[in-house]
Amino acid sequence: GQNIDQPTEMTATEGAIVQINCTYQTSGFNGLFWYQQHAGEAPTFLSYNVLDGLEEKGRFSSFLSRSKGYSYLLLKELQMKDSASYLCAVRDRGYIPTFGRGTSLIVHP
Amino acid sequence: EAGVAQSPRYKIIEKRQSVAFWCNPISGHATLYWYQQILGQGPKLLIQFQNNGVVDDSQLPKDRFSAERLKGVDSTLKIQPAKLEDSAVYLCASSSLGATRDNEQFFGPGTRLTVL
Repeated sequence: GQNIDQPTEMTATEGAIVQINCTYQTSGFNGLFWYQQHAGEAPTFLSYNVLDGLEEKGRFSSFLSRSKGYSYLLLKELQMKDSASYLCAVRDRGYIPTFGRGTSLIVHP
Repeated sequence: EAGVAQSPRYKIIEKRQSVAFWCNPISGHATLYWYQQILGQGPKLLIQFQNNGVVDDSQLPKDRFSAERLKGVDSTLKIQPAKLEDSAVYLCASSSLGATRDNEQFFGPGTRLTVL
């Protein structure tokens, strides 16, 4: 089976940088995704990592270490609209995705 | 490009009643997923289709839940009979065929089910 762990809640200040961690144990590995989900809305895709290293996309970056079963999502220049839940999802050897419980990020002025 | 469509958006039923949800994926997307998301938790995969075949349904409570994807396009998820613990948002998602780098999932707006 799959096990994905991420913090339940984080708070940060507008304009700051925040790092949301995700650790996982899977049966094989075929990629890790980060999704953003605002309250009452559907998840939307943020990033995808399948090789070790950092993927940068604007204010958001995602890092992966397959040997450590570890990823993080880095959000820079935080804005109030970044307040949302951030979901880590891992695809196993059968390309079956499993989502973590999500990290609720609260950005305050 | 039109997104993933789901209906209804909201449904309230009493326990032991039946309910069905409908999903139309993005045109050309071969893979379709149904998730259950309970408040405060991440989405839990119920069933994954590739075209009209089932890839994984290991977490689908088959004594009460069923799903089909006739003709490999739209899909229905049914609960019969419903229990109180089935209250959740049911999300449908689709992705393009293959294990390509950009094989992200596109989610529909979800159906919020309340079982009384």
